Amino acid sequence: EIVLTQSPGTLSLSPGERATLSCRASQSVSSSYLGWYQQKPGQAPRLLIYGASSRATGIPDRFSGSGSGTDFTLTISRLEPEDFAVYYCQQYGSSPFTFGPGTKVDIK
Amino acid sequence: EVQLVESGGGLVQPGRSLRLSCAASGFTFDDYAMHWVRQAPGKGLEWVSGISWNSGSIGYADSVKGRFTTSRDNAKNSLYLQMNSLRAEDTALYYCAKVRGSVSSFRAFDIWGQGTMVTVSS
Repeated sequence: EIVLTQSPGTLSLSPGERATLSCRASQSVSSSYLGWYQQKPGQAPRLLIYGASSRATGIPDRFSGSGSGTDFTLTISRLEPEDFAVYYCQQYGSSPFTFGPGTKVDIK
Repeated sequence: EVQLVESGGGLVQPGRSLRLSCAASGFTFDDYAMHWVRQAPGKGLEWVSGISWNSGSIGYADSVKGRFTTSRDNAKNSLYLQMNSLRAEDTALYYCAKVRGSVSSFRAFDIWGQGTMVTVSS
């Protein structure tokens, strides 16, 4: 099983600032089958990034993903008020599919 | 509109069974693999199971293997999760999710339902 570790656990930032979230895998994620999801309280997760770096439909270009192998990054270039949420990475290249524990981005 | 609606959750005693359903609409159901993901109260996301478009490939998390069974009825545009021998640690909000753009299970999850809550308690 591929274990995903996310850091930091919580990121306290102000609107307009840049957010950099890390996801590290215990072994290489095949074909960059790595996704990022955003979840707000009381809502289902929403796909932001797939294939490590491709934005999902309707996702603003302030969200970007990068990385390969075992190290991946989600960057939010300028935080908007609606971006304060929990972010999860997920690998879907091998079963069992696994999620990271999440990074909470909250308002400083 | 692409939509997934889960149902069948509720309060159940430990050791008992429950069957969840997920009704799909707004897309060609049998073109896509589907998954179940759960979230315990206040916790993160946990993948439960996935099924390919034709039920030819089904996978489970170790935590539910041998107790849960995933199936689908493409004629009814529906996904199911049969949960047997339920435990307190199965208490969670259960989501169904559609994969992005493929019959293969190995794709990101682009559409999620709102979830159905399962509480296992005596």
